[in-house]
Amino acid sequence: QSALTQPASVSGSLGQSITISCTGTSSDIGNYNYVSWYQQHPGKAPKPMIYDVSNRPSGVSNRFSGSKSGNTASLTISGLQAEDEADYYCNSYRNGNTYVFGTGTKVTVL
Amino acid sequence: QVQLVQSGAEVKKPGASVKVSCKASGYTFTDYFLHWVRQTPGRGLEYMGCIHPNSGDTNYAQKFQGSVTMTRDTSISTAYLELTRLTSDDTAMYYCARDKDGGFSFDPWGQGTLVSVSS
Repeated sequence: QSALTQPASVSGSLGQSITISCTGTSSDIGNYNYVSWYQQHPGKAPKPMIYDVSNRPSGVSNRFSGSKSGNTASLTISGLQAEDEADYYCNSYRNGNTYVFGTGTKVTVL
Repeated sequence: QVQLVQSGAEVKKPGASVKVSCKASGYTFTDYFLHWVRQTPGRGLEYMGCIHPNSGDTNYAQKFQGSVTMTRDTSISTAYLELTRLTSDDTAMYYCARDKDGGFSFDPWGQGTLVSVSS
């Protein structure tokens, strides 16, 4: 059960935009529009940021957006702010009625 | 509001068992799948499986089949994750999370329960 592949780290300056990729296979991302993204600050539980590829839960800033192409999903953070510095994980539904997380990406705001 | 509150941190010796609880409030407990997720420093988040509180049906991720048991008590709106024959590899934070309305993602999450295994 291999994890989805994310870059270990991504950085950007205040106000810039960054994109985090999440690569899977035709058994998960490529076959279902059930990709979600979670933000995790140190010592805290993950916080939902995106569900069903591109939808934001109530209360999540519209600076966060999601998309998908083929077997790769992406999370874009625009207008980067200091509080965006955190770990980010993607997740996808996978064949066999299960789910799989990404390897996680540490976002650093310069 | 919808809330999941987990039991406190546990310290166990190798070979022991532990049962983590997750108490739900603010919604009808039997209407939504309840998922369990493990987080270790070296491996990030790992999906462990889920239980449907109404039927008690479970679906374990392949990696965790045979080593964990998910149960529930509907009378107190609480789900449980039991780990047996603990080893140091089981040292981790364990989270419960509810299916989001519409399913296929996890919202909300419990605050997490740290299980430490050490001799």
